[in-house]
Amino acid sequence: EIVLTQSPATLSLSPGERATLSCRASQTVSRYLAWYQQKPGQAPRLLIYDTSNRATGIPARFSGSGSGTDFTLTISSLEPEDFAVYYCLQRTMWPMYTFGQGTKLLIK
Amino acid sequence: QVQLVESGGGVVQPGRSLRLSCVTSGFTFSSYGMHWVRQAPGKGLEWVAVIYYDGSNKYYADSVKGRFTISRDNSKSTLYLQMNSLTAEDAAVYYCARGSYYFDAWGQGLLVTVSS
Repeated sequence: EIVLTQSPATLSLSPGERATLSCRASQTVSRYLAWYQQKPGQAPRLLIYDTSNRATGIPARFSGSGSGTDFTLTISSLEPEDFAVYYCLQRTMWPMYTFGQGTKLLIK
Repeated sequence: QVQLVESGGGVVQPGRSLRLSCVTSGFTFSSYGMHWVRQAPGKGLEWVAVIYYDGSNKYYADSVKGRFTISRDNSKSTLYLQMNSLTAEDAAVYYCARGSYYFDAWGQGLLVTVSS
């Protein structure tokens, strides 16, 4: 099983600041990694797929990068609606998907 | 627009069964693989099961293999999850999700509580 470790567990930032979230895999996932955003009481929403492709309707302030075992989700300038929990997901071992444990992005 | 609406959740005793349904609309259901993903209260996300677009193949997480069965009815654009021998560890919000590779559309989620 591929284990995804996200860091930090919690990130406190202010609107307008840049957010950098990390996801590290226990073995290579090539570029088959996605990022999801989840707000309280809501289903997750796909933000980024295959490392760096924005999903439909996702603002350009969200970007993804990385390869192999180390991946980053960057939010260039935080908007109030961006404060949520973010999960990474790998599909290299399809269909045995695994999620990271999440990073909670809090308003400072 | 794309919609996925789950039903069938609730409170069930340990060892009993429950069947979840996910009625979809707004897209060609028979063209997509479909998944169930769950989230225990206050916890992260866990992939549960996938079924091919035509129902020809099904795969399960080790945690539910042998107890859960995923199925679909393409004539009704509906996905199902039959859950047997439920335990406290199965208590979660269950989401149906669309996607052959990634989960790009989700239902609103359905709470399953396992309690005597």
